[in-house]
Amino acid sequence: ETGVTQTPRHLVMGMTNKKSLKCEQHLGHNAMYWYKQSAKKPLELMFVYSLEERVENNSVPSRFSPECPNSSHLFLHLHTLQPEDSALYLCASSQDNRADFTYEQYFGPGTRLTVT
Amino acid sequence: KQEVTQIPAALSVPEGENLVLNCSFTDSAIYNLQWFRQDPGKGLTSLLLIQSSQREQTSGRLNASLDKSSGRSTLYIAASQPGDSATYLCVVNGNGGSQGNLIFGKGTKLSVKP
Repeated sequence: ETGVTQTPRHLVMGMTNKKSLKCEQHLGHNAMYWYKQSAKKPLELMFVYSLEERVENNSVPSRFSPECPNSSHLFLHLHTLQPEDSALYLCASSQDNRADFTYEQYFGPGTRLTVT
Repeated sequence: KQEVTQIPAALSVPEGENLVLNCSFTDSAIYNLQWFRQDPGKGLTSLLLIQSSQREQTSGRLNASLDKSSGRSTLYIAASQPGDSATYLCVVNGNGGSQGNLIFGKGTKLSVKP
């Protein structure tokens, strides 16, 4: 257990559905991240939040909408997804997100998303 | 239980040197292995991904090898530059062969001096 939980673990949704992925960290960290892991592709960083403010958005389509209501919770709202969005979505947290120090990131187990 | 170890924990070299970062893992039943770079204040940047059926991958000055039977991977950086200074993470995907279970090494912090 890394202290980062994600729900649901598996999700199947149609292209017209709206769903949300949830991430919760119990580590007292200030920074949280969403990553996408597609089959046979490297891990891709999607969003970074530091103290509930979005600090990085790596050209992610608007059909993915993140929300960070507090430093312990991170959501990824999904709507009108495409089949190519099927992937493992990983959440991570770190103690902080300062520019002058590298903090270890703790990853959740991921949500395996299938878009039909 | 899969364990990933990276040696050395920190490395400082002068600019222009070729260097090797080492990663070892205890369970050879992996799906793939990735090398990441982590810069201060940033998320992870994927450098190279090696599938379990592959022996090596190359990208520019970087070359990563994989020897599953011995549980080892190396990241070779040629002609190092100050911009290569970062923490390099070895990440094994798969614990007993199942995809999606990422096991991280603790990283090697590289400093390249001008």
